[in-house]
Order: sequence, then structure tokens, then C-alpha cells
Amino acid sequence: EAGVAQSPRYKIIEKRQSVAFWCNPISGHATLYWYQQILGQGPKLLIQFQNNGVVDDSQLPKDRFSAERLKGVDSTLKIQPAKLEDSAVYLCASSPEGAGWGQETQYFGPGTRLLVL
Amino acid sequence: QKEVEQNSGPLSVPEGAIASLNCTYSDRGSQSFFWYRQYSGKSPELIMFIYSNGDKEDGRFTAQLNKASQYVSLLIRDSQPSDSATYLCAVNPYGQNFVFGPGTRLSVLP
Repeated sequence: EAGVAQSPRYKIIEKRQSVAFWCNPISGHATLYWYQQILGQGPKLLIQFQNNGVVDDSQLPKDRFSAERLKGVDSTLKIQPAKLEDSAVYLCASSPEGAGWGQETQYFGPGTRLLVL
Repeated sequence: QKEVEQNSGPLSVPEGAIASLNCTYSDRGSQSFFWYRQYSGKSPELIMFIYSNGDKEDGRFTAQLNKASQYVSLLIRDSQPSDSATYLCAVNPYGQNFVFGPGTRLSVLP
């Protein structure tokens, strides 16, 4: 079974530029998560999708971050414009449908390392 | 914001010893608890999860949960150098999404 795929693996941009990340979850997984992990910290949830609907985006900085999951499969996360403090690893994770609150096992992709100069 | 706290470490143990990693959480409504291992430069991978008070064993790993005291721990028996990594505790408050702790760095010395 293929794992969660993410691209690009690395990205270096200047502040105020825009950037986009792509994620393809494990086949059949209805739930998709985007996390931001700053060096030395645990992952922080940015947004959760259930199929193509948003379940939780309470911690997404909506003035600059956006995400979509068209057709309920792969997803893109965009930052526009980027700030220095956006430098982090952006992790995508997926979990099977129907696990319900509190029981999801999340499978993480390799992440995208973003450096904003 | 629900909080999950862990000692940042590093926690150093000799090879073959038991490593004990602790995690406390603030939300009494939390119902599920996960331990992830993250090697440097890699993504988190699930080690085990626990829902009920008591111990849960899986190979060399034992998770312990005490909801009354709001802590969860992970014991690693017969620690190996390959266990050297950051261990993340994740808590899933009822009806809410995961909150990860900052992680504890474990170093197993040969």
C-alpha cells in the first residue's frame, strides 16, 4: 500500500512570495490533515478535510493560508504572501473513513520543508 | 487552547535500559492518546495508542494511562540506539482534533 505522498520536498522562497504544496493521501482515506511543524515543536493542525468538506480550520491563518481538496482525494495548501515565520515543515496526514472522533490513526507523509528568506 | 506538555529532554539512557517518557494534558475530556516517534528530518510514525486507564503493551513498548492524574507515559524496554528519536505525545480531546506535545528527545547511548 502506497503511503501519503507530498511534493515538493523542499522549497525556498523570499518573503511576500506565494507557494503551494500538494498532498495525495493513502487510497481510500477520507480524512486529510495539514499540519505545520516548526523546528523544535510538535505538529500544529492547520486544517482537516472529511472527503472534500472542511471539518476544522480554526487554526488556519486565513488571511494568508488557503487549502482545498477537490474531488475528495488530493489536496493543495497555499501560502500567499509568505512571511519569515512560515518557515517550517508542512506535513500532510490521512486517516481511514469512519474512525470517528478520538480514534483516528493518522499516517503522515514525508513533509515539505519551507524556508522563507 | 488545550495543552499537552512533555519534557523536551534530551533524555539519555544506556543501551538495554528502560526509557520512560511522560506526557500530561489539560483537558479532562480527552479520550484517546497516541505516541508517535519522529526521527530527525523524518515525519512522525505511530507507535501505539491507548484509550483506557491502565497499561497497554506492544513488544518493547508499554503505554500507561491515568486519566485521573491526566498523564500518559511510554516505556521502552531494552532500549536500542535505533530508538534514539523524538517522541511525540498526541491527545484527542472529545469532539476535537489532535493536540501534539512538543516532543521529548531520547538518546540511547551504546
